[in-house]
Amino acid sequence: GAVVSQHPSRVICKSGTSVKIECRSLDFQATTMFWYRQFPKKSLMLMATSNEGSKATYEQGVEKDKFLINHASLTLSTLTVTSAHPEDSSFYICSGEGPGAIQETQYFGPGTRLLVL
Amino acid sequence: RKEVEQDPGPFNVPEGATVAFNCTYSNSASQSFFWYRQDCRKEPKLLMSVYSSGNEDGRFTAQLNRASQYISLLIRDSKLSDSATYLCVVNKAGGTSYGKLTFGQGTILTVHP
Repeated sequence: GAVVSQHPSRVICKSGTSVKIECRSLDFQATTMFWYRQFPKKSLMLMATSNEGSKATYEQGVEKDKFLINHASLTLSTLTVTSAHPEDSSFYICSGEGPGAIQETQYFGPGTRLLVL
Repeated sequence: RKEVEQDPGPFNVPEGATVAFNCTYSNSASQSFFWYRQDCRKEPKLLMSVYSSGNEDGRFTAQLNRASQYISLLIRDSKLSDSATYLCVVNKAGGTSYGKLTFGQGTILTVHP
């Protein structure tokens, strides 16, 4: 199946700093990428949808100025958590879909575990 | 009401047992349905899509009842390796992307020797 990578896999940072997470589709063109967040013992919650070359669409309750998403190419999307705070500590997972992947199938990255101290 | 509801379990079953998971969804316009499995501290992986006619993949059988907005997953002859969290996933209606997925909170399954 199609492969999506994420970097870093784990990050610990101080409160107030910004953290950038990269999501790459390795063997297909991800025309659409999705960013999810999962708190412990909770379900994945969609944060935003991004289409290559256009602005991301954020879900209700997700601050677009805090969670900056860039999808400048068909194989790379980035999520920047600006001025991170302890309540932003979570498991962030991206997924991609597009030509070269099976239609209606999302391929998930391995996730990034963020801990804000 | 949650968009996708599952019994969180946990289900603890012996090897070889048959176990069934249920899921309901609230949006009658939902288009696509899936079961994913998620291992501890890992990303979710697609287990199978769910079709109205019901579908089977080896030991796994999925059923969909659109009238009742109900989805099920049956696992026969459970293996230790089936231990995971099983996520009921529904495609969010609306938009042009097929990918706006809504996840249930997951049902935890532990298969013991």
